[in-house]
Amino acid sequence: DTAVSQTPKYLVTQMGNDKSIKCEQNLGHDTMYWYKQDSKKFLKIMFSYNNKELIINETVPNRFSPKSPDKAHLNLHINSLELGDSAVYFCASSQGSGGLRETQYFGPGTRLLVL
Amino acid sequence: EDQVTQSPEALRLQEGESSSLNCSYTVSGLRGLFWYRQDPGKGPEFLFTLYSAGEEKEKERLKATLTKKESFLHITAPKPEDSATYLCAVQTQGGSEKLVFGKGTKLTVNP
Repeated sequence: DTAVSQTPKYLVTQMGNDKSIKCEQNLGHDTMYWYKQDSKKFLKIMFSYNNKELIINETVPNRFSPKSPDKAHLNLHINSLELGDSAVYFCASSQGSGGLRETQYFGPGTRLLVL
Repeated sequence: EDQVTQSPEALRLQEGESSSLNCSYTVSGLRGLFWYRQDPGKGPEFLFTLYSAGEEKEKERLKATLTKKESFLHITAPKPEDSATYLCAVQTQGGSEKLVFGKGTKLTVNP
């Protein structure tokens, strides 16, 4: 009965590889997000999608490409992984259009380590 | 640029020793201020939302307050299970209405 789930939980890979992280929410929410939490524990928004449409796209390298096949899923594909991509990536969702006063609910995180 | 600053970075309390965490913000227009709790190895867990200065919300031993420039999370008679990192985030007017997070306060409550 997990609300926001992510796979995999841990991901260890070599520099230059391409990898994907998957996120699913069963809350019936319309908006989903990807956040990055770096080694200093600073949580920063990367992307958000509302009903499969991109609404937030922060200054993120274009090696990162989100894909939303339906409103319950938001996947993150990363090309040509770099050492600096090592971080914890969190998926989140909120009920409406990602606007005023909406509470965001977070997944458990995917710990990515690039060697 | 919107900024959220939390203090202290880390706080150690004895069980039962009440204290407060601070979240100060400089944003173009505040729509909401959110408090989250994050346990090690887990995602942030929602605690409170505050919308306007003077507003207060309570949940068990936690009480959040909001002024025009800052928010406080008061912890009354904390227990070891309150140990966690507490994150503050603001949602701003205009633009993409994203959440801007502070770096958090790591709270440790010793028995």
